[in-house]
Amino acid sequence: NAGVMQNPRHLVRRRGQEARLRCSPVKGHSHVYWYRQLPEEGLKFMVYLQKENIIDESGMPKERFSAEFPKEGPSILRIQQVVRGDSAAYFCASSPRAGTSTDTQYFGPGTRLTVL
Amino acid sequence: SQKIEQNSEALNIQEGKTATLTCNYTNYSPAYLQWYRQDPGRGPVFLLLIRENEKEKRKERLKVTFDTTLKQSLFHITASQPADSATYLCALGRDDKIIFGKGTRLHILP
Repeated sequence: NAGVMQNPRHLVRRRGQEARLRCSPVKGHSHVYWYRQLPEEGLKFMVYLQKENIIDESGMPKERFSAEFPKEGPSILRIQQVVRGDSAAYFCASSPRAGTSTDTQYFGPGTRLTVL
Repeated sequence: SQKIEQNSEALNIQEGKTATLTCNYTNYSPAYLQWYRQDPGRGPVFLLLIRENEKEKRKERLKVTFDTTLKQSLFHITASQPADSATYLCALGRDDKIIFGKGTRLHILP
């Protein structure tokens, strides 16, 4: 029973390029969360999605960042025109139902983005 | 603004002793609190959830307390083992919003 899968695990981009991060939730989970973690910092919520819907994107920068969770396929976090400040670990988590007060989130191993 | 504070310094505990980690918060009224473990290069792993109307929760060698008056949670690992060495994250939530602390690094010394 596979857990949350993220790929790539490591991604290197030059300033101005695009970064695409993929997340396959636990099988049967329809709720996906994306977080960013800077060194020595806590996890910062970015966006919460259900299949084909963005429920809460209050933690995601308005420009350059977008996320989707299509009916088929993985959830994608897309960062356009990356800058050095985007370098961080990006974690995806999934849960089977809405409401993190009742269900734990299962985290993936993360994608470490380095912007040169 | 909402703030979560965990022990900023790493905690060194002798094997077999009880490790106690602290999570304090301000400007927030969480409905629940969670503790996660994170190993280097890996994603967090959920350990325990405690709700605002609960005082204490236990799971094997783990115990969590939640004092909404003091705005504090304590996380205890009894009979600690070197394998318990990791970073432990406190997270506060209401509805679907979760805020994470920066974590406390715990080293269990053999």
